[in-house]
Amino acid sequence: GAVVSQHPSWVICKSGTSVKIECRSLDFQATTMFWYRQFPKQSLMLMATSNEGSKATYEQGVEKDKFLINHASLTLSTLTVTSAHPEDSSFYICSAIAGGSTGELFFGEGSRLTVL
Amino acid sequence: AQSVTQLDSQVPVFEEAPVELRCNYSSSVSVYLFWYVQYPNQGLQLLLKYLSGSTLVKGINGFEAEFNKSQTSFHLRKPSVHISDTAEYFCAVCLIQGAQKLVFGQGTRLTINP
Repeated sequence: GAVVSQHPSWVICKSGTSVKIECRSLDFQATTMFWYRQFPKQSLMLMATSNEGSKATYEQGVEKDKFLINHASLTLSTLTVTSAHPEDSSFYICSAIAGGSTGELFFGEGSRLTVL
Repeated sequence: AQSVTQLDSQVPVFEEAPVELRCNYSSSVSVYLFWYVQYPNQGLQLLLKYLSGSTLVKGINGFEAEFNKSQTSFHLRKPSVHISDTAEYFCAVCLIQGAQKLVFGQGTRLTINP
């Protein structure tokens, strides 16, 4: 199946700094990618839909200025957590659609962010 | 809006025993249904999906699920589990007329005991 890769897998940062997480579709082009957040032992919550060449669509309650999403190309979307705080510590997972808008959804391996 | 309820947060089972993980959904329109598995500190892997057609769907690793429209359920089953099946399992739905925005259930932790 198609491969979606996230980098970094683990990141620890100090409070107040910004962290960038990359999501790449390795063997297909993805016009749409999704970013999820998962708290320990909880389900995945959709944060935003990332669209190549246009602004991301954020879910209700997600701060746009806090979580910056850039879909720079058909194979790369980035999530930047700005001015990170300990409460931003979480597991962030991206997914991408392969094969057009009705294609199958593939998930990245996830990125664990710990803010000290 | 759609919602998904996984009735069991944890399911302990002995190895080689059968297992059923329950999932109920709520939606005013037709949806697609999915089961995903998540191993520790990893992303999600698709087990199976129901889009249309036969209500009994077979997936990877010997899992299957049955779509029951009248009961709005999509329970996951496996006749004989293995230690390697220990993981978190998520049921999810998305609108047929949508951009594949998945709504996930709370997850069920399946623990296989020897």
